[in-house]
Amino acid sequence: GENVEQHPSTLSVQEGDSAVIKCTYSDSASNYFPWYKQELGKGPQLIIDIRSNVGEKKDQRIAVTLNKTAKHFSLHITETQPEDSAVYFCKGEKLTFGTGTRLTIIP
Amino acid sequence: SQTIHQWPATLVQPVGSPLSLECTVEGTSNPNLYWYRQAAGRGLQLLFYSVGIGQISSEVPQNLSASRPQDRQFILSSKKLLLSDSGFYLCAWSVRGGRNLNTQQFFGPGTRLTVL
Repeated sequence: GENVEQHPSTLSVQEGDSAVIKCTYSDSASNYFPWYKQELGKGPQLIIDIRSNVGEKKDQRIAVTLNKTAKHFSLHITETQPEDSAVYFCKGEKLTFGTGTRLTIIP
Repeated sequence: SQTIHQWPATLVQPVGSPLSLECTVEGTSNPNLYWYRQAAGRGLQLLFYSVGIGQISSEVPQNLSASRPQDRQFILSSKKLLLSDSGFYLCAWSVRGGRNLNTQQFFGPGTRLTVL
C-alpha cells in the first residue's frame, strides 16, 4: 500500500502568521492531492485539492503546492485566524490519509 | 444537494455486545461508500469501502463487518465488541467512478463509540 507521511503532528502559530503543513507520498502514480480540515467532534471536510497537472492552487488564504519530483505537497495558510484551529489531514492516492496535524492559532 | 446521515451520534456499549451503525446518503445515486475509524487524537483508518450494492472491500481484518443492502445505505456491524473498538466512526461517500477512488470524499457527522 501507499505510505503518506505528514509533518508536523502539532503546530502552534500566532494569529496573523502563516502555517505550513507537508505531506510526502510514495506512489509515483498519484495524481490527486487533497487536504481536509476536521473540527472538534465533526467529520473532515475538503478545503482544497490539486491535480498533478498543476504545481500550485490558491483559494483566498489557503494554498496547496505540489512537487511531483520530490513526491510531496504542502498546505499553506496565510493570515491565520482562530477559526483555522483544527486538525488537518492530507490524503494519498489510495484512500490513505496522513496522520494529521493539530493546528492551534494563538490569539 | 447531497447529505449524509449517521446514527446514533453517540453510543456506549459493554464489551461482548453487538454493534450496528448506520449510514445513509441522500441526493445522489450509485455513490462509493466508506467506513473509517478514528481513535482518540489519531488519524483516519479505512475499515471498509463499497463501490456498489453487496460489494464490500475490507481493509483491516478484525471483528467488524460491513454490509450495503441498498444503494445509499451502509451498515457497520460487530457480533462482539472489544475494548479496542472504541473510537469515532466516520462514514463517507464519493462520486462513483468505477474502481477509481481518487475523488473528493464527503464525510458524515460521525458516531462516537465507547466500549466499556
